Amino acid sequence: DAGITQSPRYKITETGRQVTLMCHQTWSHSYMFWYRQDLGHGLRLIYYSAAADITDKGEVPDGYVVSRSKTENFPLTLESATRSQTSVYFCATGGGLQETQYFGPGTRLLVL
Amino acid sequence: KNQVEQSPQSLIILEGKNCTLQCNYTVSPFSNLRWYKQDTGRGPVSLTIMTFSENTKSNGRYTATLDADTKQSSLHITASQLSDSASYICVVTDHQGNLIFGKGTKLSVKP
Repeated sequence: DAGITQSPRYKITETGRQVTLMCHQTWSHSYMFWYRQDLGHGLRLIYYSAAADITDKGEVPDGYVVSRSKTENFPLTLESATRSQTSVYFCATGGGLQETQYFGPGTRLLVL
Repeated sequence: KNQVEQSPQSLIILEGKNCTLQCNYTVSPFSNLRWYKQDTGRGPVSLTIMTFSENTKSNGRYTATLDADTKQSSLHITASQLSDSASYICVVTDHQGNLIFGKGTKLSVKP
């Protein structure tokens, strides 16, 4: 039982293509988060979800779409990928905003 | 603007030595402060979490301290091991639940 998994782990795509990154948890945590991590920046929050069908924007939401139809899944979609979205994407889960977050292994995305 | 600044940016030490990483923040009021360890190519893992009323918290060879008056925290690593080579990230949570991440300190432990 891996707890939190992300797929794919690596992805290469082209500018303008749609890409979906998957995140799955087995802990039944209420909250799920998507971050991106770039050199020279700390982790930056893209979107988060407090429960199924409830999502909120983070610091850098532009160009991304999320959904949460089931508690255990929180996919992140880049509707039309741009080179600036080349990054490492981390999904995380937690019991609440004030509680410890548990991070997945990350997805390395390269947009050509 | 709420900020979290970490120093040094990178650090190289010899195996068995101690080291201290610094975190200064401007987040006010804040709810808690956390230290995460991130191994290369992996997601961050929580080491410690402290509320504003706590001064110190230990997790094995890792000891975090917090001075809420000066808005400073430190992470002390005792008797370093090669496996301590990683990035260490300081994260401050404000009262609204927003997490403000530092850019991290990259620690290299050499044999």
